[in-house]
Amino acid sequence: DTAVSQTPKYLVTQMGNDKSIKCEQNLGHDTMYWYKQDSKKFLKIMFSYNNKELIINETVPNRFSPKSPDKAHLNLHINSLELGDSAVYFCASSQGFGGRNYGYTFGSGTRLTVV
Amino acid sequence: EDKVVQSPLSLVVHEGDTVTLNCSYEVTNFRSLLWYKQEKKAPTFLFMLTSSGIEKKSGRLSSILDKKELFSILNITATQTGDSAVYLCAAIRGAGGTSYGKLTFGQGTILTVHP
Repeated sequence: DTAVSQTPKYLVTQMGNDKSIKCEQNLGHDTMYWYKQDSKKFLKIMFSYNNKELIINETVPNRFSPKSPDKAHLNLHINSLELGDSAVYFCASSQGFGGRNYGYTFGSGTRLTVV
Repeated sequence: EDKVVQSPLSLVVHEGDTVTLNCSYEVTNFRSLLWYKQEKKAPTFLFMLTSSGIEKKSGRLSSILDKKELFSILNITATQTGDSAVYLCAAIRGAGGTSYGKLTFGQGTILTVHP
């Protein structure tokens, strides 16, 4: 009964490849997010979708493209992977935009390693 | 640009000690501050603070927000080895501008509790 699930948990890939990370939430939340956590544990927002509409789009390379087919899913596609993309990517969801109802629920993360 | 700074960056204590973690913020249209505990995987929600001066408590953990001085503290009393984790604070941007709902994280405090 995982509330926010991400797949895969681990991803090792070569530079230049294209990969996708999937995220699904079964909490009935209307807002979903992608965060990147670097090696120093610093979490930074990348994107936010509210009711399938892109709300927050931080300064990330165009190689990163989120897709939200419905409110329960937010996938992240990355083109032409680079070494610097290696990080842990967390998906999160909240009910009420801005997390006003008891904060955010995070997925368990996807550790991406680009070699 | 929104900024959240935590201190100390790391802390080593013995079981039974009391610790205080600090979080200061500079956020446009600040709405709320969140505290999370991150062990091996996803950050787990601890507190959401929106009003100044009202302490929130959960067992041995408590937290308070000072909106005048723009900071929050997280207290843990009678620490246990299971409290060892990274503690993250994050500030939410409210309505009235761009990026409503944006969550900006601090860099985290690594707490290690020795037996």
